[in-house]
Amino acid sequence: DAGVIQSPRHEVTEMGQEVTLRCKPISGHDYLFWYRQTMMRGLELLIYFNNNVPIDDSGMPEDRFSAKMPNASFSTLKIQPSEPRDSAVYFCAIRREGETGELFFGEGSRLTVL
Amino acid sequence: DQQVKQNSPSLSVQEGRISILNCDYTNSMFDYFLWYKKYPAEGPTFLISISSIKDKNEDGRFTVFLNKSAKHLSLHIVPSQPGDSAVYFCAASGSGNQFYFGTGTSLTVIP
Repeated sequence: DAGVIQSPRHEVTEMGQEVTLRCKPISGHDYLFWYRQTMMRGLELLIYFNNNVPIDDSGMPEDRFSAKMPNASFSTLKIQPSEPRDSAVYFCAIRREGETGELFFGEGSRLTVL
Repeated sequence: DQQVKQNSPSLSVQEGRISILNCDYTNSMFDYFLWYKKYPAEGPTFLISISSIKDKNEDGRFTVFLNKSAKHLSLHIVPSQPGDSAVYFCAASGSGNQFYFGTGTSLTVIP
């Protein structure tokens, strides 16, 4: 178990509110990924970091989405303002450099925007 | 546009029989392929992988087959067990660090 803690596990909010999802890797890693799961598109990559530096954010759907990684043990994904179409499960995943490519996922944050 | 496609949203199989899950990809630069398994309310967990230099990789009851010319891979589970009931995601990566996932196939193994 590589250990990725995500919070909150469930979030219900109203349209227009700010949402902050958190990810805490508790084991060593070089890469951190944020994915969004929907029925229509499966697991979509939103953004990934290498050694805390954002490398590719082309998957971030709009300027309403932003992500930060202030240190190796913490990352946030923020949606402001939130919209109903943002409702999905958001996963954080980590990977170590040089390994075979396996990603270790957290349990996800289920977001519902009313 | 989806670069990795799983065209079967669901599959039901009798316990003890073979489960075959399929996946197609469009990018010929992909050189590493993985299958992940996901139970409800949990994150996906790694199941098995295959490099593009191989056409088959086996791990216990799980075998992944890769057909590069057809840009197709499949996961075989034999014999299927009720505990295998889950959503299975196919994923692919190329020279970068991005992993492209399919939409998933929900497998139900009927006791």
